[in-house]
Amino acid sequence: NAGVMQNPRHLVRRRGQEARLRCSPVKGHSHVYWYRQLPEEGLKFMVYLQKENIIDESGMPKERFSAEFPKEGPSILRIQQVVRGDSAAYFCASSPTHGQDYEQYFGPGTRLTVT
Amino acid sequence: AQSVTQLGSHVSVSEGALVLLRCNYSSSVPPYLFWYVQYPNQGLQLLLKYTTGATLVKGINGFEAEFKKSETSFHLTKPSAHMSDAAEYFCASSRSAAGNKLTFGGGTRVLVKP
Repeated sequence: NAGVMQNPRHLVRRRGQEARLRCSPVKGHSHVYWYRQLPEEGLKFMVYLQKENIIDESGMPKERFSAEFPKEGPSILRIQQVVRGDSAAYFCASSPTHGQDYEQYFGPGTRLTVT
Repeated sequence: AQSVTQLGSHVSVSEGALVLLRCNYSSSVPPYLFWYVQYPNQGLQLLLKYTTGATLVKGINGFEAEFKKSETSFHLTKPSAHMSDAAEYFCASSRSAAGNKLTFGGGTRVLVKP
């Protein structure tokens, strides 16, 4: 079974450009979460999505950031007009729909560098 | 609101010595608790979790943690450190199972000395 896949693994963008981060969850998982890890900090929740729905976006910055999880294809985290402060590692996690055996499975992350 | 506090951002242990990583949580209801390990430039891997039932939880790689409600703690231990345990460790909480965001502590970086 393939785990959570994220691409690209490394992304360099100039200030003002757009960054698109992709996440393919574990096969059969319908819950996707995005977290951001700033340098020397822990992970901070950004957004929780199910197929075609945003369930909780309480951790998303109000501007420039958006996320989607379409019926087909990967989840996308989009950052418009990137700034240096967006430089971080962005992790995607997925979990199954139900079950007591709850766990979020994390991808390897996308490391975004804004120059 | 939930919060998770990890005491000590860096811990240094000798190979073969006890590893003790501290985690305290703040929650109005007993949360679900997790310990994750992160190796350099990799994602997070689940070490163990507490949901309900037995308060002493055993995980992978010889780690275990004990949920103590009276102390609002979930400390992680391993009796004998191995060089391969050098990594960053994160404690996290969730309000319930499936479909809830994780709240992470700041992380503890473990250095293992030969």
